[in-house]
Amino acid sequence: GQQLNQSPQSMFIQEGEDVSMNCTSSSIFNTWLWYKQDPGEGPVLLIALYKAGELTSNGRLTAQFGITRKDSFLNISASIPSDVGIYFCAGQLSTGANSKLTFGKGITLSVRP
Amino acid sequence: KAGVTQTPRYLIKTRGQQVTLSCSPISGHRSVSWYQQTPGQGLQFLFEYFSETQRNKGNFPGRFSGRQFSNSRSEMNVSTLELGDSALYLCASSVTGIYGYTFGSGTRLTVV
Repeated sequence: GQQLNQSPQSMFIQEGEDVSMNCTSSSIFNTWLWYKQDPGEGPVLLIALYKAGELTSNGRLTAQFGITRKDSFLNISASIPSDVGIYFCAGQLSTGANSKLTFGKGITLSVRP
Repeated sequence: KAGVTQTPRYLIKTRGQQVTLSCSPISGHRSVSWYQQTPGQGLQFLFEYFSETQRNKGNFPGRFSGRQFSNSRSEMNVSTLELGDSALYLCASSVTGIYGYTFGSGTRLTVV
């Protein structure tokens, strides 16, 4: 099935550094979501974006919904060890009849203390 | 409030058997979706139920089925299990299905 493009597969950063992740699609979505998954757990919603061009922050996290509606990025500032995990982007068409999420393959983030 | 609850957390089944997984959504959430997560394919959409009706379906064989009860609880059934069905099965709930989903911790199914 269709998937969103997330790369690279893994990122390694030093504690305190900022990191940016990008997600692209060949299709338009009208909702973009960013999730984080820890080992053995389900994905946890970090940020939801509902409008093209929207910029939303959640603590040290900032995400933007691309103007073309085909991309989104997530920034994490001043990384800490607990930021380690897999970060997924997901697109949703957000109509009652088509509410499924399409996921990227995820980026595994490692933070060196 | 309580999150999305999936039972059991872990399951080991033999090839050819069938299995039923359970999901209790967040109170007030009427939309329940199921996803299969594997290292190779990532998160793949199985189906979505809203008010006891299947509203969306992914590209999985008919061996995968589900249902939703009047209290919004949902079950997923896989018949004639294959080794390739080994995966983390995630349930997610939403009020209407429009504004994103909250996921449960998943059921880890191993088929031997």
